Amino acid sequence: NAGVMQNPRHLVRRRGQEARLRCSPMKGHSHVYWYRQLPEEGLKFMVYLQKENIIDESGMPKERFSAEFPKEGPSILRIQQVVRGDSAAYFCASSPQGREDEAFFGQGTRLTVV
Amino acid sequence: AQRVTQPEKLLSVFKGAPVELKCNYSYSGSPELFWYVQYSRQRLQLLLRHISRESIKGFTADLNKGETSFHLKKPFAQEEDSAMYYCALRGGGGSNYKLTFGKGTLLTVNP
Repeated sequence: NAGVMQNPRHLVRRRGQEARLRCSPMKGHSHVYWYRQLPEEGLKFMVYLQKENIIDESGMPKERFSAEFPKEGPSILRIQQVVRGDSAAYFCASSPQGREDEAFFGQGTRLTVV
Repeated sequence: AQRVTQPEKLLSVFKGAPVELKCNYSYSGSPELFWYVQYSRQRLQLLLRHISRESIKGFTADLNKGETSFHLKKPFAQEEDSAMYYCALRGGGGSNYKLTFGKGTLLTVNP
């Protein structure tokens, strides 16, 4: 089991462009969580998804950010019209059904907006 | 609202010396506390959780509810312990999945 895979590891975008971050959960895991770590800060919860459903998006900024976890394929965190303040490390975690308390993290994607 | 505080951004010790990484929390209910570690260029991984009361790689952590602390300790640090350490708390808002993290402590163990 390769673990939670995130790609790309590093992403550079110019202001106004779109950023797409991908997360492939561990095999057999149906729950995905996204966290953001701003510079000098701890990881902060953004969103919790199950296949084709958003369960909790209380940590997502109201504009420009969206997340999905389709029936097939990885979970995608999408940031439209990026700004410098979006520069951060974005971590994905996954857990199996019924074990939401047991999340495994990926290596993170470091987004830099120039 | 819950909060996790790690007062030390950087901690440097020599190999063989004891190490303690501090973590304090605020939480209105019964907390579940964790320590996560991220070695260079690797995944964030769970090191230990207070409910299991186990020792992993020589590290231990005791939940002190009176002092609202969950400090991570190891009696003899090794160079391979050099990593970023995050204290985290689970709970809040009726969820059993949401983790609140501290800002992390970068531990460097010198030879």
